[in-house]
Amino acid sequence: LAKTTQPISMDSYEGQEVNITCSHNNIATNDYITWYQQFPSQGPRFIIQGYKTKVTNEVASLFIPADRKSSTLSLPRVSLSDTAVYYCLVGDMIGGFKTIFGAGTRLFVKA
Amino acid sequence: GAVVSQHPSRVICKSGTSVKIECRSLDFQATTMFWYRQFPKQSLMLMATSNEGSKATYEQGVEKDKFLINHASLTLSTLTVTSAHPEDSSFYICSARDRLAGSFYEQYFGPGTRLTVT
Repeated sequence: LAKTTQPISMDSYEGQEVNITCSHNNIATNDYITWYQQFPSQGPRFIIQGYKTKVTNEVASLFIPADRKSSTLSLPRVSLSDTAVYYCLVGDMIGGFKTIFGAGTRLFVKA
Repeated sequence: GAVVSQHPSRVICKSGTSVKIECRSLDFQATTMFWYRQFPKQSLMLMATSNEGSKATYEQGVEKDKFLINHASLTLSTLTVTSAHPEDSSFYICSARDRLAGSFYEQYFGPGTRLTVT
């Protein structure tokens, strides 16, 4: 399983764009990158998933460079309700894998 | 997206008793379910992986006789905490994985169960 490294915490202000980077130097060919969001006392919620280049959905964008050794989750114009822990996971979505969570990034959005 | 439910959402029990937590996939069949526990301000820790109809695979350091997992059907997995102690108080989360036809796995998480042992 590819190990991931993220910043422990980040602070931002409402309306700003937030970029959270995750390192996964030993990512394998079949591995996909998935980001989850978790609020206190709730289960993780899927945000976005990608394999390479850029993926965008209604809540976020995911940027993956050509070497795939890192990825960046971009949250446009954050609000107070985006205060949460964000987890980056890497795993084989085709062959199946155990979902192991790293420490995650605690994002705190201030007014 | 698909929904995973857990019951109960919170439970308080006395030390020495057993508690059962249910995890259900509501609109899909889950060939694999995972159980996690999470202490305050910490990440989710994988406890075990269960496949329908077979024995669960426990992570290192997790006592299989204390945390009994049963995955009797493609939509239900249960976690029983036996002889609970205060140190078992935690947030327990399950997730269910669905293999889309011709595609890759999607994984969905339940809302969690808060266990407090007094």
